[in-house]
Amino acid sequence: AQKVTQAQTEISVVEKEDVTLDCVYETRDTTYYLFWYKQPPSGELVFLIRRNSFDEQNEISGRYSWNFQKSTSSFNFTITASQVVDSAVYFCALIVGGSQGNLIFGKGTKLSVKP
Amino acid sequence: NAGVTQTPKFQVLKTGQSMTLQCAQDMNHEYMSWYRQDPGMGLRLIHYSVGAGITDQGEVPNGYNVSRSTTEDFPLRLLSAAPSQTSVYFCASSYSPGGLQGYTFGSGTRLTVV
Repeated sequence: AQKVTQAQTEISVVEKEDVTLDCVYETRDTTYYLFWYKQPPSGELVFLIRRNSFDEQNEISGRYSWNFQKSTSSFNFTITASQVVDSAVYFCALIVGGSQGNLIFGKGTKLSVKP
Repeated sequence: NAGVTQTPKFQVLKTGQSMTLQCAQDMNHEYMSWYRQDPGMGLRLIHYSVGAGITDQGEVPNGYNVSRSTTEDFPLRLLSAAPSQTSVYFCASSYSPGGLQGYTFGSGTRLTVV
């Protein structure tokens, strides 16, 4: 069975601080895909990144960066110099390669960035 | 605009009533899913489909029914609404399970059962 754990329920930071959101996953499959989604207060789900299990290269996109480590089954997300607009709930999700479409989500981390 | 369209956006039902939440996508995606989102629970998979005529159960299927007669549409039916089904429902689609662009989500349906 697959599982995604986001141990941090809520995080509060002051603007311009760096913040890391943790994601730990469980699967026995060797082929899998990991995702991060953002859900702002307006409620929609916004796709941020997708990573496959064969690509451990870290990725940076502007103020966002992702650290994928298979050795620790983690796929952590860092926001550098946080802004108020980063306030949202962030979800990590997993799907295995042979899946028929069951994308499994963590329970999410609510990030509050205060001015 | 291409994407996933969910209707209605809001709905109030009385206990025991039935209704259908509509989901349509125009991206020719084979994979479609329904999730419910409850406070502190994240998104939980209700049902999913890998193409027209093929559906399967997710983590929380009880009380819900689906069918997939076309690639575009994936309606979710509540057979006899219960207060425990009060939730926000999201429909999602993707061209493959590990889609490079991720899953595209609809804007959600907020359902209240009284």
